[in-house]
Amino acid sequence: QSALTQPRSVSGSPGQSVTISCTGTSSNVGGYDYVSWYQQHPGKAPKLIIYDVTKRPSGVPDRFSGSKSGNTASLTISGLQAEDEADYYCFSYNGAYTDVGFGGGTRLAVL
Amino acid sequence: QVQLVESGGGVVQPGRSLRLSCTVSGFTFSSHGMNWVRQAPGKGLEWVALIWYHGREDKYAESVKGRFTISRDNTKNTLYLQMDSLRVEDTAVYYCTRINGYTDDLWGQGTLVTVSS
Repeated sequence: QSALTQPRSVSGSPGQSVTISCTGTSSNVGGYDYVSWYQQHPGKAPKLIIYDVTKRPSGVPDRFSGSKSGNTASLTISGLQAEDEADYYCFSYNGAYTDVGFGGGTRLAVL
Repeated sequence: QVQLVESGGGVVQPGRSLRLSCTVSGFTFSSHGMNWVRQAPGKGLEWVALIWYHGREDKYAESVKGRFTISRDNTKNTLYLQMDSLRVEDTAVYYCTRINGYTDDLWGQGTLVTVSS
């Protein structure tokens, strides 16, 4: 059972926006501004797309954005494209770097 | 070019051992903590083990504590995961990752470990 709760699936049409939530507790998401998001295409390694709640690594399109409110972090993908269809995982530092928790993952379908 | 390359995966019987390696290039290995993260077939990501940049401190998930050992050789730019007393439930793709701040910013391509009789 994951420490962080994500919806199992979300979907959207090309050009639309979707938001994926990641709910934790005050011991992880709510207590630190260290939430990361990873994108994983089938058969590929995860790729970092958001870190420290809102920051994007170089090369990641600005269509991807992160935010946080209380114990819930969110990933928003605007202007959906077919290549955004993938699994998305959140991760939060928990103050001790032990039993660090990934979310259970959310499958995004671009219809 | 910055990269992490895992090796050492394969098919092994329950109770046996296996050692994974992760060779890195393109960055100063000795300046970064490193993780092993695994993903069972069709499942999500699970953190396995962490080692600090100096190699003198490590941490493990409860599911592998006492059976797996993470280590590193900073002179060889290589990270290791010694896996003993393997169980069927350890079957997964194992990824090595680079820790940068409070995130895993680089991931290898993964190596598949299959535990089966």
